[in-house]
Amino acid sequence: DSGVTQTPKHLITATGQRVTLRCSPRSGDLSVYWYQQSLDQGLQFLIQYYNGEERAKGNILERFSAQQFPDLHSELNLSSLELGDSALYFCASSPTPGTGELFFGEGSRLTVL
Amino acid sequence: QQQVKQSPQSLIVQKGGIPIINCAYENTAFDYFPWYQQFPGKGPALLIAIRPDVSEKKEGRFTISFNKSAKQFSLHIMDSQPGDSATYFCAADYSWGKLQFGAGTQVVVTP
Repeated sequence: DSGVTQTPKHLITATGQRVTLRCSPRSGDLSVYWYQQSLDQGLQFLIQYYNGEERAKGNILERFSAQQFPDLHSELNLSSLELGDSALYFCASSPTPGTGELFFGEGSRLTVL
Repeated sequence: QQQVKQSPQSLIVQKGGIPIINCAYENTAFDYFPWYQQFPGKGPALLIAIRPDVSEKKEGRFTISFNKSAKQFSLHIMDSQPGDSATYFCAADYSWGKLQFGAGTQVVVTP
């Protein structure tokens, strides 16, 4: 158990809909990262927050947004969903933001029908 | 464009064998090279990591070899066990945990 909690574990929705994925980082970790894992794209970095502020953006679509709240939990919002958005979405946290030492949650599997 | 290239895509070894996974990178700004292990239904878990000023690092049965001039690094799993069967990802980091992952190698260790 990495200590990173993600909900929901599975989500099935229809095209055009909006979903919110939630992440609670390990206790004490200020950095939260979101990654997308799909068969064709592999593991792709989406976005990073550090202590409530956005630190880095990767290949995140404009239809997607995220935030980190004062209690350090984070939410990833996916809107106007398309079939191609079906993937595993991982949240990770880090005790040391300057390294790649990330602790990943078990992911949220999104299926868009 | 894939910044970290990983090979092979999959490999099968017998128990006790030494699976070797290779990765190559282009961006010389990368300064941290972790390996992650992922079991089905689970998130990636950090296995071992190395910085470019070190040529080799061992942790238990896992060894990373790093060749800075060739921009290549590899993972060796010594005395592999069936429980090591998983997908392994190499990665490279140059900015605050913004990892560039390889495509992954599915390793199967047969009894």
